[in-house]
Amino acid sequence: RKEVEQDPGPFNVPEGATVAFNCTYSNSASQSFFWYRQDCRKEPKLLMSVYSSGNEDGRFTAQLNRASQYISLLIRDSKLSDSATYLCVVNEGYSTLTFGKGTMLLVSP
Amino acid sequence: NAGVMQNPRHLVRRRGQEARLRCSPMKGHSHVYWYRQLPEEGLKFMVYLQKENIIDESGMPKERFSAEFPKEGPSILRIQQVVRGDSAAYFCASSPGTSEVGGPYNEQFFGPGTRLTVL
Repeated sequence: RKEVEQDPGPFNVPEGATVAFNCTYSNSASQSFFWYRQDCRKEPKLLMSVYSSGNEDGRFTAQLNRASQYISLLIRDSKLSDSATYLCVVNEGYSTLTFGKGTMLLVSP
Repeated sequence: NAGVMQNPRHLVRRRGQEARLRCSPMKGHSHVYWYRQLPEEGLKFMVYLQKENIIDESGMPKERFSAEFPKEGPSILRIQQVVRGDSAAYFCASSPGTSEVGGPYNEQFFGPGTRLTVL
């Protein structure tokens, strides 16, 4: 069974902290990897696509380790507005996105 | 540039009725995907469509559920004879295309969802 596994959290951090989430996937043939964020009862929003070994976008850094089949997301200088559920997503073929259940982040003042 | 549009946003049905959910993809996107999110669960893929074609319906329940994406108009997800277990958020996503090796062509953008409640 093809799965994407994440620690559900919640991760409770103060503003300004650095926090990292990990995600593992079971299908070694997976080609595309993404991080989405989902606010309560809202639609998932694409945060980052993860290409090659990894990439950075402002305070966010995503890394991919194909040999160990895991993806990580690092958030630096956390803001209150970063509070959300972060979804690890794997594209296993032309169409199907497989979602993890998400990791909840709570940033407090 | 409007994003993915879904309607209705909320839909209440009694057991045995039909539910019709509509999705209009982003401008320039020709690929549509439907996902379901049960309470306290992750999103699950249901079906992938292009205009007038179902490409992958491996996530669709075998009975009562159907989807279409006609040449003109929105994509429709249809649930016949709804049961309480169908209560969920149904999200539609669209992408410009697909690519085996990944990249921006694969990125899917989601609509606001339709929350279906079956009484």
